[in-house]
Amino acid sequence: EDQVTQSPEALRLQEGESSSLNCSYTVSGLRGLFWYRQDPGKGPEFLFTLYSAGEEKEKERLKATLTKKESFLHITAPKPEDSATYLCAVQAGYGQNFVFGPGTRLSVLP
Amino acid sequence: EPEVTQTPSHQVTQMGQEVILRCVPISNHLYFYWYRQILGQKVEFLVSFYNNEISEKSEIFDDQFSVERPDGSNFTLKIRSTKLEDSAMYFCASYDRATNEKLFFGSGTQLSVL
Repeated sequence: EDQVTQSPEALRLQEGESSSLNCSYTVSGLRGLFWYRQDPGKGPEFLFTLYSAGEEKEKERLKATLTKKESFLHITAPKPEDSATYLCAVQAGYGQNFVFGPGTRLSVLP
Repeated sequence: EPEVTQTPSHQVTQMGQEVILRCVPISNHLYFYWYRQILGQKVEFLVSFYNNEISEKSEIFDDQFSVERPDGSNFTLKIRSTKLEDSAMYFCASYDRATNEKLFFGSGTQLSVL
């Protein structure tokens, strides 16, 4: 069974304090790993897709990387508006399902 | 950017009643999904739909649930006899497998079963 875990469960940062979120996965035949941002009461908002180990993608203060077992979402010099829950999801094998991890709740304090 | 539209945004119902949650996926997408998220918990897969039939479903998606694409634009989730534990945020999503880039989510329907 495909599994996705994320750590830490919650993270508090001061504005400007860089850090990384982890997503570990156990799947058969990864087709894609996805990062989403979710604000309270809203639907997940797409950030990145990664397909193969070694791949990296960047968008503003966020950078996502992928290895064979895990992905990291690096946040450089975060701002309060980066506060949200960050979700990791995988799509694997021949299935259509996207399996989501439990998320990391990020709070960036001014 | 294209959007997935869900209605209503909130639905309150009595236990045992039927509810229909509605979604308009992105027009050129061919794969449609329903997910749910119980407050404070993770996003859980319910069902995927392709070519007018269910392509995959989870254990949550039992006989009380059904999906339908009644016309060329709408995609609905019906819960026949709601239970208290069906209270959750329900998200519709659609996907263009050709680009394999991203699953677009709607803003959700908050279902409260009393």
